[in-house]
Amino acid sequence: QQQVKQSPQSLIVQKGGISIINCAYENTAFDYFPWYQQFPGKGPALLIAIRPDVSEKKEGRFTISFNKSAKQFSLHIMDSQPGDSATYFCAASMWGYDMRFGAGTRLTVKP
Amino acid sequence: DGGITQSPKYLFRKEGQNVTLSCEQNLNHDAMYWYRQDPGQGLRLIYYSQIVNDFQKGDIAEGYSVSREKKESFPLTVTSAQKNPTAFYLCASSPSQGGPGYGYTFGSGTRLTVV
Repeated sequence: QQQVKQSPQSLIVQKGGISIINCAYENTAFDYFPWYQQFPGKGPALLIAIRPDVSEKKEGRFTISFNKSAKQFSLHIMDSQPGDSATYFCAASMWGYDMRFGAGTRLTVKP
Repeated sequence: DGGITQSPKYLFRKEGQNVTLSCEQNLNHDAMYWYRQDPGQGLRLIYYSQIVNDFQKGDIAEGYSVSREKKESFPLTVTSAQKNPTAFYLCASSPSQGGPGYGYTFGSGTRLTVV
């Protein structure tokens, strides 16, 4: 069963624009929500993560917004650049145990 | 530099053959994982291990086997019983199960193709 649903499947954004990827989860016991960035032929790399006791976390151009009541969280990429073109995965776990991944979003940033 | 090394990067398997994918980490992580990645399906858990000499089945363990004889190593064997093995295989590790969620560290993957 898919415990983390991610949308959209693909996203095209102009350089300088804002990229937004959304995820929803089912299990209220999840308490750790990371985002991973994957370039073609490479393994995913941890980008940013949040815990449910905060509603937002920002690291540079990347921001996670978290809505505990709606069981949703999203990744915002500000001032998107062509180098941000990659596949992004959201995930959820209980203290790093049994991490569940979304299906991924392929982001293309056009120059 | 600490990290996870997966080898080989590309692997070709003939019908009916068993093949073994290597995964080695020097991060001193307790837990290790194997995921399979197919287009549009995200990452699906095959097996995971929390400590040496112990491992658990994930969601799609059928046709796969693993061993964990050393903390640093977690090889995956794709057996002939796996009917559709063509995929990108990712190995990951984390500090410990049930500990602070530092996230997983992934290797660069092995692309397995049946010929």
